[in-house]
Parts: sequence; structure tokens; C-alpha cells
Amino acid sequence: GQNIDQPTEMTATEGAIVQINCTYQTSGFNGLFWYQQHAGEAPTFLSYNVLDGLEEKGRFSSFLSRSKGYSYLLLKELQMKDSASYLCAVRDSNYQLIWGAGTKLIIKP
Amino acid sequence: ETGVTQTPRHLVMGMTNKKSLKCEQHLGHNAMYWYKQSAKKPLELMFVYSLEERVENNSVPSRFSPECPNSSHLFLHLHTLQPEDSALYLCASSQRPSEGGYTFGSGTRLTVV
Repeated sequence: GQNIDQPTEMTATEGAIVQINCTYQTSGFNGLFWYQQHAGEAPTFLSYNVLDGLEEKGRFSSFLSRSKGYSYLLLKELQMKDSASYLCAVRDSNYQLIWGAGTKLIIKP
Repeated sequence: ETGVTQTPRHLVMGMTNKKSLKCEQHLGHNAMYWYKQSAKKPLELMFVYSLEERVENNSVPSRFSPECPNSSHLFLHLHTLQPEDSALYLCASSQRPSEGGYTFGSGTRLTVV
């Protein structure tokens, strides 16, 4: 079966750095996506990786290793507004999105 | 108005009621989706529409009935639901069905009593 694993919850301190990991086992691979979802709001697209390596976008970076079936989302200079759930999703060989259950990130002052 | 708009934001219904969820997108996208989001579970894809034709139905119970009258509007008709159907129902759109960069609506929080 297809599976996406990510931690259920993480806690970090304002101003610090946090890394949210995502591992996947899917039928083929056609890209990996990260979304942010604040409580009671719509998920919003953060990043897309299809080739190995690091994609940087401001305070957020996303890394992919296809050989390891692994990605992480790196958040720097954490702000209170970064408290949210972070969803990892992989597009498989049929171009279907397979979703993880999300990681709830709690930022403390 | 831009983006994806869902109404109502909250809905409480009895098991014998009939209600409808509405989704509207003004992005010119050709694909629209219904997802179910339950606490601590992955998003569950329910239905996919491409150019107003249903292209996917993931074994969803018949008590959920989608309708796509045009490329900008999507409905989810609900009848004789069960308490386990209580969840956040999210609508999303994308330029093409194979794209992953969806634009989501804020969802309808459904409670079945």
C-alpha cells in the first residue's frame, strides 16, 4: 500500500529553526508537495520538489531525496504565526496525490 | 471575489436531513475536488471533476452526491448521513487534474447529530 509518514506534533521556540520530516512509500513518484494549514483555514501551497536537493523560499526550505523516499520542510526564524499544521503529499505514478496526516507545529514564546 | 469560496462554513444536521455544500472558484481552473478531512487523518479524496465531468469517485457512499453544473461551481449533496461523516469538507481546484498545486477553500465544518 501507499503510505506517507510525518510526526503528529512538534514544538519549537520563537526565533529558532525546526525541521519537519516526511517519509513516503508510493507507487511511483511525480513530485512532493508541502502545504500549510492554520486551524480552521484552507491549506495553502508552500513548496514543490521533484528533483533531489534543496528548494529555498524565504524562511522556508524543502529538501527531497528520492532514493531515500524522504523529504523535510525547514522553517527558520520561527514566528508565532508559523503555528499551524504542515501537510506532506506525494504525487504517484498515476498522478494521484497521496497525503500524510499532517504535523501540528506549536510555537512557544 | 478571488480564490475558492465554500459555503456554509459550519453545518449541523440530523441524520434524516438533506443539505448541500457549495464551492465556487474564480480562478479559471478546469479541475475541482471534494476532500474529507478528519482529525489526525490524511485528506481523503472523494470526487474529482475535470471540465464538468466526474473523473474519479473513490468508493464514496451514495449518501454523498456531487454535482458540477459548470467549471466554476461544485456542490456536494448530503442525505441520511451518519455521525461518522462529521468532518471538515474541503473543496479545491487546479488548472488540470494532474496538478498538485491546489487552491483550497476554507472548508465546511459538518456535524451530524
